[in-house]
Amino acid sequence: EAQLVESGGGLVQPGGSLRLSCIASGVSSKNHAMTWVRQAPGKGLEWVSLISGGGERTHYADSVKGRFTISRDDSKNAIYLQMNSLRAEDTALYYCARDSGYDSLYNNFDPWGLGTQVTVSS
Amino acid sequence: QSALTQPPSASGSPGQSVTISCTGTTNDVGFYKYVSWYQHHPGKAPKVIIFEVDKRPSGVPDRFSGSKSGKTASLTVSGLQADDEADYYCSSYAGNNKYVFGTGTKVTVL
Repeated sequence: EAQLVESGGGLVQPGGSLRLSCIASGVSSKNHAMTWVRQAPGKGLEWVSLISGGGERTHYADSVKGRFTISRDDSKNAIYLQMNSLRAEDTALYYCARDSGYDSLYNNFDPWGLGTQVTVSS
Repeated sequence: QSALTQPPSASGSPGQSVTISCTGTTNDVGFYKYVSWYQHHPGKAPKVIIFEVDKRPSGVPDRFSGSKSGKTASLTVSGLQADDEADYYCSSYAGNNKYVFGTGTKVTVL
């Protein structure tokens, strides 16, 4: 069964850092763009970041640009999200998903994981 | 990037149809064919049910259909079933390597 499993979430103080991981099993992420999407409590989905199939291009929402860094390790079928300078408004459930294409554009995210919770609070 | 506008809620009885609108701008929905719809049962992984405006992934019933006119995309769920009760989000490529999601619609099966 194709699945993505996120991990690395937790409680962190404002200004702190976290590194999220997403491991794919039963499905290859190789040559597919991979993305992070988050959902704040009681809110809708918000696109966060995407990395191209070979990792050569990365894209970010304005709200996280300069603070978050997406990366991938295809030898581990994994993608990561390094989150620095965290703010209260970054509190959310963070999902990873695979895109159908190699780079941005296609907006066909499937499958998704169950998410990992990030809480930024003092 | 502002979120696409969806009605907060929609409802219908089993067997009926419900249509959800998704309004964007000429920079996203109105320009690109890369509009998708995602079904999200809380606590579960979201699932794509429509991509490229009106295409269904394999395994998605033909009760789900998508369309677009100008800056507004629509999702129609026909023959409502209990399991269709979920949150639905539209999404569009928005240019400059960015994406935007809709505000979300909670569908209730009465």
